[in-house]
Amino acid sequence: QQQVKQSPQSLIVQKGGISIINCAYENTAFDYFPWYQQFPGKGPALLIAIRPDVSEKKEGRFTISFNKSAKQFSLHIMDSQPGDSATYFCAADAGGTSYGKLTFGQGTILTVHP
Amino acid sequence: DVKVTQSSRYLVKRTGEKVFLECVQDMDHENMFWYRQDPGLGLRLIYFSYDVKMKEKGDIPEGYSVSREKKERFSLILESASTNQTSMYLCASSFPQGGNQPQHFGDGTRLSIL
Repeated sequence: QQQVKQSPQSLIVQKGGISIINCAYENTAFDYFPWYQQFPGKGPALLIAIRPDVSEKKEGRFTISFNKSAKQFSLHIMDSQPGDSATYFCAADAGGTSYGKLTFGQGTILTVHP
Repeated sequence: DVKVTQSSRYLVKRTGEKVFLECVQDMDHENMFWYRQDPGLGLRLIYFSYDVKMKEKGDIPEGYSVSREKKERFSLILESASTNQTSMYLCASSFPQGGNQPQHFGDGTRLSIL
């Protein structure tokens, strides 16, 4: 019930295209959904996050879409650039007494070709 | 900027050795976490700590222990290293739960057990 399932495992997009990564969860106690971006040789860093009281959050070229009834959320990268090539992780936090523990998805390796 | 420093980028050890991985954060965070990252499996939580001398098991604690004697330092211990513990290990820290605080990661230690 704690699992977060992420797809696809890898994604290749041309420069200027839209990258879409999907995540699904089962635990209805999750109340915070961050996305992390990881470049080779670096640790993951927070990219954007959403709470379930909104259906969409946009920051620049990055948008999270959230569907509470379907228990799914997705990351959209508009106008994808080669510099966006990285591994992306979705995650979920149950809040309450979870001590900020995150349950991570399996990761998506994004490659943007010039 | 928050800085989470892991003592080694690369480490090679022998089967059966006791291995120590060290992590230090400079932002006075209460929470600290140890993850391992394996391709296709995402980030899996090994142990976390929400206060000095306090520790909680994560999803995959078998074969590991932790120590947190000072607020800024969190150590991961492989009691008797085995080849299946070859992996990338990531340390993270955050403020306490409440407001869904982001986790800040170190750049990882790539551990090889021969």
